[in-house]
This record gives sequence, C-alpha cells and structure tokens, in this order.
Amino acid sequence: GQQLNQSPQSMFIQEGEDVSMNCTSSSIFNTWLWYKQEPGEGPVLLIALYKAGELTSNGRLTAQFGITRKDSFLNISASIPSDVGIYFCAGNQFYFGTGTSLTVIP
Amino acid sequence: DVKVTQSSRYLVKRTGEKVFLECVQDMDHENMFWYRQDPGLGLRLIYFSYDVKMKEKGDIPEGYSVSREKKERFSLILESASTNQTSMYLCASSTHRYEQYFGPGTRLTVT
Repeated sequence: GQQLNQSPQSMFIQEGEDVSMNCTSSSIFNTWLWYKQEPGEGPVLLIALYKAGELTSNGRLTAQFGITRKDSFLNISASIPSDVGIYFCAGNQFYFGTGTSLTVIP
Repeated sequence: DVKVTQSSRYLVKRTGEKVFLECVQDMDHENMFWYRQDPGLGLRLIYFSYDVKMKEKGDIPEGYSVSREKKERFSLILESASTNQTSMYLCASSTHRYEQYFGPGTRLTVT
C-alpha cells in the first residue's frame, strides 16, 4: 500500500508552545485528512482538505494541502494539556501515516 | 451524533480459536473498514466494504475474513487466531467522502 511518512514521530513540548507536524508521500493524493487519537479511543477527524494549496483552520488547528499534492502539514497554536494524543495524517480514504505522538508538559 | 460501536473493548483468546469482531454504525454509511493498529506502524487496512455483501482486500488481509450481511454491520473474523494477530482493531465507516468515523477499538490479545 501507499506509504505516508509522518514526522516527527514524537514531540514533547511545554504548554503554550506552537506545534508543527507534517506528512509526505511519494504519490499524489486528492484529499488529505488529519485525525487525533486519544488514549483508549479511536481516531477522530480534525480537518479535511480537498484542494491543493488549501489552508483550513479548526480553532487552534491549521492544516494545509501541499501544492504538489504529495504533502500536508498540521499546526497547533498555543498548545494545552488536552492536545495530548497521537495525530495521524491520511491520504485519500485509507492511507494513514505512522502518527505523531504529542505530549504537552504543563 | 454519529456512532460506531464495536462489540468488545478487550478480548483475550487462545491460539487457534475462531474470533469474531463486530462493528455497527448508525449513520447509514455505505462504506465500512477494518484496520489494525500497531505501535510505530500506524493504521493498516485489513478489509473494506462499499456495499452490503461486498468486500475488498486491504493491505494485510491474510489470516482475516469479513462479512457484511446488513448495511450497518461489518464483522471481522479471525479463522484461527495466532499470536501475531495480537493488536488493536479499529472499525470505521464513511459516506462517499473520505472522512471516516471510528469506533473505540478492540484490543485483542492472543495467547
């Protein structure tokens, strides 16, 4: 299957810091999605991107669909403790990245 | 509120047992999916279904089968469980768009 390279693998940050993570692929995708998974739960959709170059926000989260259609990034501004979890990118319907584990230190 | 439910949160089975994992969605979604999640490997697609009685293999179908007799229900079957099938299993559903709704997962341990 398609391999999505997600980085960084893990992040440890202080509360209030901004966070940036990205996802790259060797293949072109028509859609990029970002999910968050909290401990003991299934992933929950955060943002969906449907056009190359698209920049979309959801509260403190901002995601962009790369112009080449082979990458996407997710930014979280002013992190808070409840941002803790694993963030997954997904290309099209069911190609997922390996996840970025985020820890926020109060 | 959209809802995907999975029959068990935790399961412990013995090697060689037949295992059924059930998933039900109440959103009238056409598409349903089964993934397994392992540390460092992300989510890997086992099988998916675009319609009742229809199934397609994903990236890692070996050792698994599925059944979709009704639109709202998608079952994953391990015909003869093995220890390398110890994992977290996630079910999801979606409409024609790519946005998926996930269940809480079943953590399966095969001893």
